Amino acid sequence: TQLLEQSPQFLSIQEGENLTVYCNSSSVFSSLQWYRQEPGEGPVLLVTVVTGGEVKKLKRLTFQFGDARKDSSLHITAAQPGDTGLYLCAGLYNQGGKLIFGQGTELSVKP
Amino acid sequence: AAGVIQSPRHLIKEKRETATLKCYPIPRHDTVYWYQQGPGQDPQFLISFYEKMQSDKGSIPDRFSAQQFSDYHSELNMSSLELGDSALYFCASSPGSTGELFFGEGSRLTVL
Repeated sequence: TQLLEQSPQFLSIQEGENLTVYCNSSSVFSSLQWYRQEPGEGPVLLVTVVTGGEVKKLKRLTFQFGDARKDSSLHITAAQPGDTGLYLCAGLYNQGGKLIFGQGTELSVKP
Repeated sequence: AAGVIQSPRHLIKEKRETATLKCYPIPRHDTVYWYQQGPGQDPQFLISFYEKMQSDKGSIPDRFSAQQFSDYHSELNMSSLELGDSALYFCASSPGSTGELFFGEGSRLTVL
């Protein structure tokens, strides 16, 4: 059973398009994190959202935490080939506890 | 800035052999995590240590064990290796207060 459901699992778009990745759970998290992973490398932290309803922006990336702290979304504006990679959401139940990952979204941005 | 160091980066073993992976966390990070990532899968939590004591346990097989030493480095010991153990093994460290994890580059284990 996947505690964190990520969708879509695969996404192939053209350069300049917008996209949204969703991360959903029936559980409440103390925080939720988004990572990006390149093949053969470790995940790299993009952002952490903590407060319900919180919105964080990182250049063309916008992250939102649901009001109930059970879901999150990642929106990329005007995608570029350099955005290609695996995007993982991960939820933390409590401080010091384990981080649970979603299945990931494999994004391919074609020039 | 110093990052999480993992060694070896690549390891090839035969079935039923043993393997040891090492992890050196970022200085002053008090928590270490081990994750296993199979091809096309998300990282699966194995085990974590806080201040050298095991803090949480995930889907770690009984054939695997881990510990954190006085200098905060950690080792993952894997015995009676099976083909299904072939995966990327990541170590991550955290300063604890934020829950944010910083991952190493991983150790790729191939069991033949």
